[in-house]
Amino acid sequence: QVQLVQSGAEVKKPGASVKVSCKASGYTFTSYGISWVRQAPGQGLEWMGWISAYNGNTNYAQKLQGRVTMTTDTSTSTAYMELRSLRSDDTAVYYCARTLPIDLNAFDIWGQGTMVTVSS
Amino acid sequence: QSALTQPASVSGSPGQSITISCTGTSSDVGGYNYVSWYQQHPGKAPKLMIYEVSNRPSGVSNRFSGSKSGNTASLTISGLQAEDEADYYCSSYTSSSTHVVFGGGTKLTVL
Repeated sequence: QVQLVQSGAEVKKPGASVKVSCKASGYTFTSYGISWVRQAPGQGLEWMGWISAYNGNTNYAQKLQGRVTMTTDTSTSTAYMELRSLRSDDTAVYYCARTLPIDLNAFDIWGQGTMVTVSS
Repeated sequence: QSALTQPASVSGSPGQSITISCTGTSSDVGGYNYVSWYQQHPGKAPKLMIYEVSNRPSGVSNRFSGSKSGNTASLTISGLQAEDEADYYCSSYTSSSTHVVFGGGTKLTVL
């Protein structure tokens, strides 16, 4: 079946970096984009950015520009999200989500989420 | 403060219909037919319920419907069921450099 499986929980110190993986299966990886969405504890959803699995083009949320990098490895159908210079307010569950080709705003398959805790 | 405004909570009895609103601006909801709605149960990943204002993905009950008028989009759930109790988020494409914005979420309680 179509699914996205993310890497496990991470605990990082302020200033460090984290890289979360998202392995796709059950569909043609390069036919869809992957978006990343995060959710701080008890809070709403926040869009972080999108990457085309076809050609690697990216769009990032302005507030994360310069700290976030999204990449894909088509040989393993895996997407990655790296966030640098971590702060306490980066503590959140990070989700990857398959994005419909014609609608950057439609996320039809979601990963299970990866908890990232930033604490000294 | 979220870019799109949703009521914090709504409630209804089983069998009733409820509507959740999502208000934005002409730069997002009002300017594009790219509004989506997501359902999220506690501790779970969100689930796409509506995309492009009123389209339902395969497998989503036809009790869920979406619409838009001006800068406000709406999600209507008819024939409320206990399993509909969840948080609901709207999102929209936006012309700003952020590209996609979410609402703050609405907690639906089935009485």
